Amino acid sequence: GQQVMQIPQYQHVQEGEDFTTYCNSSTTLSNIQWYKQRPGGHPVFLIQLVKSGEVKKQKRLTFQFGEAKKNSSLHITATQTTDVGTYFCAVSGGSYIPTFGRGTSLIVHP
Amino acid sequence: DGGITQSPKYLFRKEGQNVTLSCEQNLNHDAMYWYRQDPGQGLRLIYYSQIVNDFQKGDIAEGYSVSREKKESFPLTVTSAQKNPTAFYLCASSMVLARETQYFGPGTRLLVL
Repeated sequence: GQQVMQIPQYQHVQEGEDFTTYCNSSTTLSNIQWYKQRPGGHPVFLIQLVKSGEVKKQKRLTFQFGEAKKNSSLHITATQTTDVGTYFCAVSGGSYIPTFGRGTSLIVHP
Repeated sequence: DGGITQSPKYLFRKEGQNVTLSCEQNLNHDAMYWYRQDPGQGLRLIYYSQIVNDFQKGDIAEGYSVSREKKESFPLTVTSAQKNPTAFYLCASSMVLARETQYFGPGTRLLVL
């Protein structure tokens, strides 16, 4: 399947600090989806990006799709303890077979 | 209540034993998937199915088998050929293959005794 690299693997922040996770691919993507998995839970869909250069916001979360459709980022402003979890990107190329990144685990210290 | 269910929540397997994990969805989705999750490894695709009576191998299909006899059901069998089966198994479904949101079940934790 499609190859995707997600960084960083872990991120510790103090509550109120910002957080960013990145997904990078060597090939052009058809779309990218972002999911959040709380500790002990299952992944829950956050958003899908399809268009080149697309930017979408959900409250304190900002999602971007690169102009070349090879990378994406998820940025959280002023983290809260409720943001704790692992954030995954999922990508698909021309075959539409989904591939998940390894995830970034966010740890928020109060 | 629409959703995707998996059972059991925990499953113990003895050496040399086959076990079957259940996955059922009432979302009327065509596509269904099985993923394996290990710590620090993310989600790896085992098998996927686009329609009834059709399924394809994912990245780590060896030691696993599936069936798709009904649209709402996609059971996964972990065979004795799978040498390291201890993991968290997640089933998901979507309207069509990979182009739409994937909805995940609560998962089954498989432990080898």
